Amino acid sequence: LAKTTQPISMDSYEGQEVNITCSHNNIATNDYITWYQQFPSQGPRFIIQGYKTKVTNEVASLFIPADRKSSTLSLPRVSLSDTAVYYCLVGDPNAGNNRKLIWGLGTSLAVNP
Amino acid sequence: ETGVTQTPRHLVMGMTNKKSLKCEQHLGHNAMYWYKQSAKKPLELMFVYNFKEQTENNSVPSRFSPECPNSSHLFLHLHTLQPEDSALYLCASSKSRLGQETQYFGPGTRLLVL
Repeated sequence: LAKTTQPISMDSYEGQEVNITCSHNNIATNDYITWYQQFPSQGPRFIIQGYKTKVTNEVASLFIPADRKSSTLSLPRVSLSDTAVYYCLVGDPNAGNNRKLIWGLGTSLAVNP
Repeated sequence: ETGVTQTPRHLVMGMTNKKSLKCEQHLGHNAMYWYKQSAKKPLELMFVYNFKEQTENNSVPSRFSPECPNSSHLFLHLHTLQPEDSALYLCASSKSRLGQETQYFGPGTRLLVL
């Protein structure tokens, strides 16, 4: 089964760049890597998705090396409102056409003033 | 607002009660999901519906009974629950059931079983 490994928690300060790395050694050839953000008492929210190299949107950047066995979510100049849990997901390579997204425990990011 | 609403937001029920959770999506999606999120545990996918048909049941106890009358509405009927069923229940939707599709989540229902 595909599995992701992320740091349990991270601390940062306002204005800093935060990089959260996720390991996914068993990623399938056709799978994408997706990151979600979850605030307390809310459902997860899609942040960014990529397959290889680099993807950037208005919220974050996603860096994926050539072997795709890891990925790094980069949040530029974080603010207090970026305090949340960040989840890295890849598809389950054993699920056939109905690929399951396997959720880990995520990384709890605390942004301090 | 993600386009997915859930009611109620909070629910307290006894083990002998019967209650239902409701989810509605306004995104025109064809796939809908129920997840359970317990403290200190990863999200657990419970049920998946695609075009109103249940396509996945991940070994969920029969005290949880889903219903999908149309592509926009999803219910989770609860009866004779156990205290360990206390959790945040999340509904999500996506355009299709493909694994790469972005899922849009509702705010969840916080359930406490006494």
